[in-house]
Amino acid sequence: SYEVTQPLAVSVALGQTAMISCGGDNIGSKNVHWYQQKAGQAPVLVIYRNDNRPSGISERFSGSKSANTATLTISRAQAGDETDYYCHVWDGNTVVFGGGTKLTVL
Amino acid sequence: QVQLHQWGAGLLKPSETLSLTCAVYGGSFTDYHCNWIRQSPGKGLEWIGEVNWRGNTNYNPSLKGRLAISVDTSNSQFSLKLTSVTAADTAVYYCARAGFFGPFDGFDIWGQGTMVTVSS
Repeated sequence: SYEVTQPLAVSVALGQTAMISCGGDNIGSKNVHWYQQKAGQAPVLVIYRNDNRPSGISERFSGSKSANTATLTISRAQAGDETDYYCHVWDGNTVVFGGGTKLTVL
Repeated sequence: QVQLHQWGAGLLKPSETLSLTCAVYGGSFTDYHCNWIRQSPGKGLEWIGEVNWRGNTNYNPSLKGRLAISVDTSNSQFSLKLTSVTAADTAVYYCARAGFFGPFDGFDIWGQGTMVTVSS
């Protein structure tokens, strides 16, 4: 079965740029989506189909991909960005979520 | 504005059947795929399965033998049934709508979540 791998934790200084990776075999050929989840709340879609931002999501959030890694980039990190982030791909038969990354803003 | 509202029993005994329903309000029900996702306490997201408005399903292979997801187009609802539950099924269960491109799209609208606890 297909697997995607995220780092357990990423830290970023306030106002700097955070990058969260999602690695998978040939992930470049798949659509990757990203969610932000705050404690006690449902996830919120922040990037869909690799590099598209839903209405209402800050332009500080962006997505990119290479052959085997997708990346969520958060520019000018704010204290409110400190939470969990998940990537999501469809492997042709099932949805696969990454294990999640906890972002700490220092 | 489309909203999802979900409900179902929150406390089950081992071997019972988990049953949840999710209703779509304020928008089109057809042409979209509806998904169930769960999150065990302190853990990550786990996809359970999906159904489209025609009733076609895809399931997580690890749950397939205990799982049934169905759709009621007349009431714009879709439902989850998971049989023979154990403590390992204790989780917050979410319904979520995939965007227009179905399985290839992100989940743009989520229900509020239902905490389901399995305990004797």
